[in-house]
Amino acid sequence: NAGVTQTPKFQVLKTGQSMTLQCAQDMNHNSMYWYRQDPGMGLRLIYYSASEGTTDKGEVPNGYNVSRLNKREFSLRLESAAPSQTSVYFCASSENYGSYNEQFFGPGTRLTVL
Amino acid sequence: AQTVTQSQPEMSVQEAETVTLSCTYDTSESDYYLFWYKQPPSRQMILVIRQEAYKQQNATENRFSVNFQKAAKSFSLKISDSQLGDAAMYFCAYRRTKGAQKLVFGQGTRLTINP
Repeated sequence: NAGVTQTPKFQVLKTGQSMTLQCAQDMNHNSMYWYRQDPGMGLRLIYYSASEGTTDKGEVPNGYNVSRLNKREFSLRLESAAPSQTSVYFCASSENYGSYNEQFFGPGTRLTVL
Repeated sequence: AQTVTQSQPEMSVQEAETVTLSCTYDTSESDYYLFWYKQPPSRQMILVIRQEAYKQQNATENRFSVNFQKAAKSFSLKISDSQLGDAAMYFCAYRRTKGAQKLVFGQGTRLTINP
């Protein structure tokens, strides 16, 4: 039982390049989330998927797109990376929408945009 | 919109002593959850303790306890008998009871344990 896995762990991009961050969970959770963490700040929600087939914007969605590929996988895409997107990205999942369940976090991806 | 504020960017404590981390939040909701997460240098986010707003009793988990003051919108974390392994960033977080489980985080407090 690996929990929440993210790939890659580290990535360096040049401004304007694109990339997709991958996230998968093996806990059969319905809801999945993408957060970013900037220095000196807490995590901020980028996008979330309450259930398979649905996605919604969070606090800081600009410059990102997401795909809930299936129940297990939730990817985050940067179409044209900018230095302001340099951050650590966390994926999380939880069991049910609308009731308390702990969010489980992946190990994070450190992204640097030059 | 809900906000969470941690006014202590850094704290330090002697090993085996007690330390309290502060958190305040702003919401118009009456029912919600509050959390403390620990983030060690490995970056892994670890849930330390949670509090349901409708419960008057403060949550405790071994050496970790909270002081939840709903009227004051305050939610502090007390760590007793501090250990070297407690050194980490600590984040306070809020979530509404209804709707999607979106967490709103504070800025974090870096806790150093002095041997």
